[in-house]
Amino acid sequence: ILNVEQSPQSLHVQEGDSTNFTCSFPSSNFYALHWYRWETAKSPEALFVMTLNGDEKKKGRISATLNTKEGYSYLYIKGSQPEDSATYLCARSGNTGKLIFGQGTTLQVKP
Amino acid sequence: NAGVMQNPRHLVRRRGQEARLRCSPMKGHSHVYWYRQLPEEGLKFMVYLQKENIIDESGMPKERFSAEFPKEGPSILRIQQVVRGDSAAYFCASSPTGTGGNEQFFGPGTRLTVL
Repeated sequence: ILNVEQSPQSLHVQEGDSTNFTCSFPSSNFYALHWYRWETAKSPEALFVMTLNGDEKKKGRISATLNTKEGYSYLYIKGSQPEDSATYLCARSGNTGKLIFGQGTTLQVKP
Repeated sequence: NAGVMQNPRHLVRRRGQEARLRCSPMKGHSHVYWYRQLPEEGLKFMVYLQKENIIDESGMPKERFSAEFPKEGPSILRIQQVVRGDSAAYFCASSPTGTGGNEQFFGPGTRLTVL
């Protein structure tokens, strides 16, 4: 994998469903993996920064895992709510902080 | 503590004019990153600056684009002789340190439209 890739591109779920997205990235020379949440007309907001293989982070109903050896991260949302509707971006960073973003996964949660 | 500020939020320029986009980082942050989102595309890195220094400009177009972050005042992204293809949303982000393990705080963006 040469670029940061996210799947699926978009997702529609019902309120209360749990969901997950995938971020794949080049595993060589890994430094850190970032997850951002981006609501329409707002700024991207950092969710997690992960650096260690096997890292798991949690914030409320949202959690993320990291596998640096195989080059992937999963983002999970438990019991989706309409306010979770947003685009979720992952980005790989080098040691200077330059972020290489994926295209994002757009989540729509229907009440 | 005010967040990252960008102005103007919307900027309209005619082809051939200059565009100046400003970014004031969060208080205490001396590292600024600029990203661009072209229509139907994702966020792409442009340049990373520390006070008075350009650290990484590998994402900047070779011509017409320049960036600075003076000792005093905001960071400026300058686009000379704009063309329609420069129409995009330009975001800046700041960080307390220039390492990849720190989160970056994003501004609201400047939406540039070139007529």
